[in-house]
Amino acid sequence: QKEVEQDPGPLSVPEGAIVSLNCTYSNSAFQYFMWYRQYSRKGPELLMYTYSSGNKEDGRFTAQVDKSSKYISLFIRDSQPSDSATYLCAISGGSSNTGKLIFGQGTTLQVKP
Amino acid sequence: NAGVMQNPRHLVRRRGQEARLRCSPMKGHSHVYWYRQLPEEGLKFMVYLQKENIIDESGMPKERFSAEFPKEGPSILRIQQVVRGDSAAYFCASSPTGTRSYEQYFGPGTRLTVT
Repeated sequence: QKEVEQDPGPLSVPEGAIVSLNCTYSNSAFQYFMWYRQYSRKGPELLMYTYSSGNKEDGRFTAQVDKSSKYISLFIRDSQPSDSATYLCAISGGSSNTGKLIFGQGTTLQVKP
Repeated sequence: NAGVMQNPRHLVRRRGQEARLRCSPMKGHSHVYWYRQLPEEGLKFMVYLQKENIIDESGMPKERFSAEFPKEGPSILRIQQVVRGDSAAYFCASSPTGTRSYEQYFGPGTRLTVT
């Protein structure tokens, strides 16, 4: 079983739609949860960063962590064509983890005008 | 304020040659991580370094790969005797110290092609 599972998509939505991106993870010891956005042939860009459970909002983006279900989500409201990219979830933390990030495979999102 | 810098951005090597990838972390960051992204695969951790120390190299292949982060200058990922399977994008990330050490900021990557 992979430590982090993420549906690779692709996911195609019309402009203005609400987008829901999700990951599941296997180790309950993980404490830090990140979402990155990666445009084609570019480096990943840190979007959201959450410690433990709960919600975090930043503009059109909301990150949710449900540690009881080992489930993390990223919601994008009023999606724009410029949001078209690959979205990567990443997790870290726990007693045996030195800070390295464990990434999901990434979900490719296309927002159509 | 410059972000994480990597060079070269593109590197072409013939099989058997050496590849040297460089990474300068963001100003004020003293932690450096290297990741590899193979075609159609996700990002995989390779190594975590602090100045003059390798903290975690659990993701590094046992042979041909090495990394350093000297007291002065950039971090270097070195691949000896490259093979076609080493062709990938190599990303460096840096983070601040303390409680924010899990915030990792990535550079633009070095795309290595082995011919």
